[in-house]
Amino acid sequence: DGGITQSPKYLFRKEGQNVTLSCEQNLNHDAMYWYRQDPGQGLRLIYYSQIVNDFQKGDIAEGYSVSREKKESFPLTVTSAQKNPTAFYLCASKGNSPLHFGNGTRLTVT
Amino acid sequence: EDQVTQSPEALRLQEGESSSLNCSYTVSGLRGLFWYRQDPGKGPEFLFTLYSAGEEKEKERLKATLTKKESFLHITAPKPEDSATYLCAVQAGGSGGYQKVTFGTGTKLQVIP
Repeated sequence: DGGITQSPKYLFRKEGQNVTLSCEQNLNHDAMYWYRQDPGQGLRLIYYSQIVNDFQKGDIAEGYSVSREKKESFPLTVTSAQKNPTAFYLCASKGNSPLHFGNGTRLTVT
Repeated sequence: EDQVTQSPEALRLQEGESSSLNCSYTVSGLRGLFWYRQDPGKGPEFLFTLYSAGEEKEKERLKATLTKKESFLHITAPKPEDSATYLCAVQAGGSGGYQKVTFGTGTKLQVIP
């Protein structure tokens, strides 16, 4: 079945550590996205990539970094510079269709 | 700036009690309005896309409608398995191949047996 796989489902880190969230898709979609979801707020765009080796900042990119070396993969690194990293992170991809989402990674930083 | 406002924030229904969720929007150049369903701890699952005022889409007990300023998600005779958060999103026209999608905060629906 085609879809988006995010791993791990839960991630715990100490403050000051960088952490990388994985996102892999087998939908053959060119565009991929990272969103952050917090209680009481709509999904907010962190980064997006419309093609391999190219990506753009979204609305809340500070403290995050990404890479897009392969069409299938779009990992997100949450750096120690991100002031409030605890959140639910969603990866999405898009072809000639609406956004298709993975099942998220819940990151807790203490 | 594009905005999406969903109401109510939460809705509790008895099984079989029909109701509607509202999504009001302001966007420059609507390219599409989307409804998603999100279960706890999961990613949003696509339900409908609406493109122009007057358009309607149906799926099982759900029916989505669109006007120039708002969209409604009508739920007819809901069942407990319809309990979820329903998200509305709008896609605006844009240049450079990227068309921004703005999400509302969702309506959390609980259907009681």
